[in-house]
Amino acid sequence: DAKTTQPPSMDCAEGRAANLPCNHSTISGNEYVYWYRQIHSQGPQYIIHGLKNNETNEMASLIITEDRKSSTLILPHATLRDTAVYYCIVRVPRKPYNTDKLIFGTGTRLQVFP
Amino acid sequence: ETGVTQTPRHLVMGMTNKKSLKCEQHLGHNAMYWYKQSAKKPLELMFVYSLEERVENNSVPSRFSPECPNSSHLFLHLHTLQPEDSALYLCASSQDLGLGGELFFGEGSRLTVL
Repeated sequence: DAKTTQPPSMDCAEGRAANLPCNHSTISGNEYVYWYRQIHSQGPQYIIHGLKNNETNEMASLIITEDRKSSTLILPHATLRDTAVYYCIVRVPRKPYNTDKLIFGTGTRLQVFP
Repeated sequence: ETGVTQTPRHLVMGMTNKKSLKCEQHLGHNAMYWYKQSAKKPLELMFVYSLEERVENNSVPSRFSPECPNSSHLFLHLHTLQPEDSALYLCASSQDLGLGGELFFGEGSRLTVL
């Protein structure tokens, strides 16, 4: 079962920052937070991930609270092409094969409007 | 262009047919995955392969049969499917297992079972 909680949908005006929240109150110390997005009829696309510190790359910024129970994905200047479903995922380490299982929830549907 | 190519993109089959989905990755990755995405449901992990060895079979019915002949190719053989198996089937790859990092997804194969 997914271990994250996200709002089902959000709107954002083009050019403004989109702030997508995620709650993961039961996260354990060695679990990472991953963000992916899925544009309609395409496969999911990796955006960013982090453990404790805030992270930034060319696509987005990830802000993780000090207690790690929640995080926010920030798209600094949303465009129409950012309209997608955004998934916040906690990576669950698995044994004995040491596989890391990404469990996708239902995500947040972000609609960017002109 | 993610470096993961899936064919066919669309497939319609009857319940008595046998068909196969193909996935090829050009990224030099060692791990490959099959996911299923049904309408309005989260992605479900089906199978995981690492260096051509299956390391996870997530309680998938035997009418789905995966094959990984080498680290660049992954197949999903389908036979005697049910209408409820209609879904988007996504292939993904990652550099290795157990190291985290991003999954690279293909565009998916949309399957309709009549």
